[in-house]
Amino acid sequence: KQEVTQIPAALSVPEGENLVLNCSFTDSAIYNLQWFRQDPGKGLTSLLLIQSSQREQTSGRLNASLDKSSGRSTLYIAASQPGDSATYLCAVPTSGTYKYIFGTGTRLKVLA
Amino acid sequence: GAVVSQHPSWVICKSGTSVKIECRSLDFQATTMFWYRQFPKQSLMLMATSNEGSKATYEQGVEKDKFLINHASLTLSTLTVTSAHPEDSSFYICSAKTGLEQYFGPGTRLTVT
Repeated sequence: KQEVTQIPAALSVPEGENLVLNCSFTDSAIYNLQWFRQDPGKGLTSLLLIQSSQREQTSGRLNASLDKSSGRSTLYIAASQPGDSATYLCAVPTSGTYKYIFGTGTRLKVLA
Repeated sequence: GAVVSQHPSWVICKSGTSVKIECRSLDFQATTMFWYRQFPKQSLMLMATSNEGSKATYEQGVEKDKFLINHASLTLSTLTVTSAHPEDSSFYICSAKTGLEQYFGPGTRLTVT
């Protein structure tokens, strides 16, 4: 059974810092992994989608890496800004299906 | 990019009534849609898989008679919460699958008073 864990659960950093969010999953037979952002009381915003054949994806100040063999993904945020404050979720599909299992999220607060 | 909408974005209903939530894929067809639920300060949990033209499949512990799902067309799935109770208050999010990609809706916040 796929389980997804995110560390840390919460993070508070001063503006401008580079930071890394971690996601680990137990079943490496995945076809992709997604990172989402969720603002309080809002829906999901897809940030990055990494296919199983890829090692990383970049979008602006965001870079996500994927190591299937070790069951890990990291989301790197460069030069953090207060507007980056949100909960970040990673999600992977369960083996052989398209059903996503979500991690518990990392609540990020970037202080001005 | 592909867009998924949900309607309404939020709804308040009285205990015992039913409420319907719509999920639409606006610019693509989706034979499969998924419904997730998120309780406060928790992550999303899959409730059911909605397949166009056939019955939905529910995850363990989800009452299919309470959460009625209808996938009447390739662009629309509906979730009806029947005889809603305060414990059904939650954030409901749908996603629509096209090929290997899955796109998520903005969510519907349901409050049952």
